[in-house]
Amino acid sequence: QKEVEQDPGPLSVPEGAIVSLNCTYSNSAFQYFMWYRQYSRKGPELLMYTYSSGNKEDGRFTAQVDKSSKYISLFIRDSQPSDSATYLCAMLAGGAQKLVFGQGTRLTINP
Amino acid sequence: ETGVTQTPRHLVMGMTNKKSLKCEQHLGHNAMYWYKQSAKKPLELMFVYNFKEQTENNSVPSRFSPECPNSSHLFLHLHTLQPEDSALYLCASSQGTGGVGVFYEQYFGPGTRLTVT
Repeated sequence: QKEVEQDPGPLSVPEGAIVSLNCTYSNSAFQYFMWYRQYSRKGPELLMYTYSSGNKEDGRFTAQVDKSSKYISLFIRDSQPSDSATYLCAMLAGGAQKLVFGQGTRLTINP
Repeated sequence: ETGVTQTPRHLVMGMTNKKSLKCEQHLGHNAMYWYKQSAKKPLELMFVYNFKEQTENNSVPSRFSPECPNSSHLFLHLHTLQPEDSALYLCASSQGTGGVGVFYEQYFGPGTRLTVT
């Protein structure tokens, strides 16, 4: 079983839709949960990170972590064509230096 | 230059060639990383350097040889690669490598697209 599972998509939605991206994981030691966005021909950039469980909101983006279910989500409200990218979840155990990434979900927002 | 830069952006090499990838960070960070991103696979950590010392080698074959002469520069020397080594190689840097209760954001460069023929 992979440590982190993420549906690679592709996912295509109309502009203005609410997008839900998800990852599941198996390692109970993960304490930091991150979402990266990667545009074509660019490196990943950190969108949000959450420590332990709970929700975090930043503008149109909301990250949720449910440690009891080993499940994390990223919601994008009022999606824009500029949100079209690959979204990668990543996780880190406390005190560790090795980020473990999901496969990434390719998202397209259609005008 | 700002952020993390990588050269070359594209590289095509034969299986018997020797080449090097270069990464430079302009962020004043102390830790640098090499990652491999293959199609349909998760991003994989290859090496970690902290204050020029290698602190992680994620079971990477010896045909990949990293070098970190100082905290701002990181190289990946390549020799006798295989076609399955074709991938996007990403460099990243962070202020530190973390500890209990500490998180350091990693900043990525744009990557080098490597094709082994």
